[in-house]
Amino acid sequence: KAGVTQTPRYLIKTRGQQVTLSCSPISGHRSVSWYQQTPGQGLQFLFEYFSETQRNKGNFPGRFSGRQFSNSRSEMNVSTLELGDSALYLCASSLEPGSGNQPQHFGDGTRLSIL
Amino acid sequence: DAKTTQPPSMDCAEGRAANLPCNHSTISGNEYVYWYRQIHSQGPQYIIHGLKNNETNEMASLIITEDRKSSTLILPHATLRDTAVYYCIVREASGGSNYKLTFGKGTLLTVNP
Repeated sequence: KAGVTQTPRYLIKTRGQQVTLSCSPISGHRSVSWYQQTPGQGLQFLFEYFSETQRNKGNFPGRFSGRQFSNSRSEMNVSTLELGDSALYLCASSLEPGSGNQPQHFGDGTRLSIL
Repeated sequence: DAKTTQPPSMDCAEGRAANLPCNHSTISGNEYVYWYRQIHSQGPQYIIHGLKNNETNEMASLIITEDRKSSTLILPHATLRDTAVYYCIVREASGGSNYKLTFGKGTLLTVNP
């Protein structure tokens, strides 16, 4: 069974640009969550999607947005990039949302560097 | 804030069992204990989770004390590839903020040849 797939693995952008990251969940998983990981802040929750709807959102500015498609694949977009957006962006999928008994499985992330 | 306490680092000899402790003294009755690990430049990898009973899978064993205030992750025969940061997390069974995982600083396990 294939794991969570994130593309691209690495990305270099400049300030002010925008970027779109993609996540394909494990087959059959319908819930997708996004996290940002930085050395200083650790892992921080961005948002969670289920049935093409955003169910929960973390404390990030509106420049960070996402969406989920009918096949459960998800994308996140960051507009007007800032130097502080340099981070590892992780996607995690699970069967259903709202159950603490279902583990979230992570992809290997997209490493975004802002110059 | 993470609700768990872990030692910042541990060493283990290759082929020996690695026992990673975690304190979660404020855990409530409906919270699961989860373990993940993260190898440099990769995403966190799910290892195991449990509520009250001890659990075992192909990767590890999870021992939860009877009062549930602490747990131990056991890697029975550590290899060099098990060198990673190990995170212990508590997560509500339902509701609250169980939709997200809150990682602490974890334990850096170094397996030595």
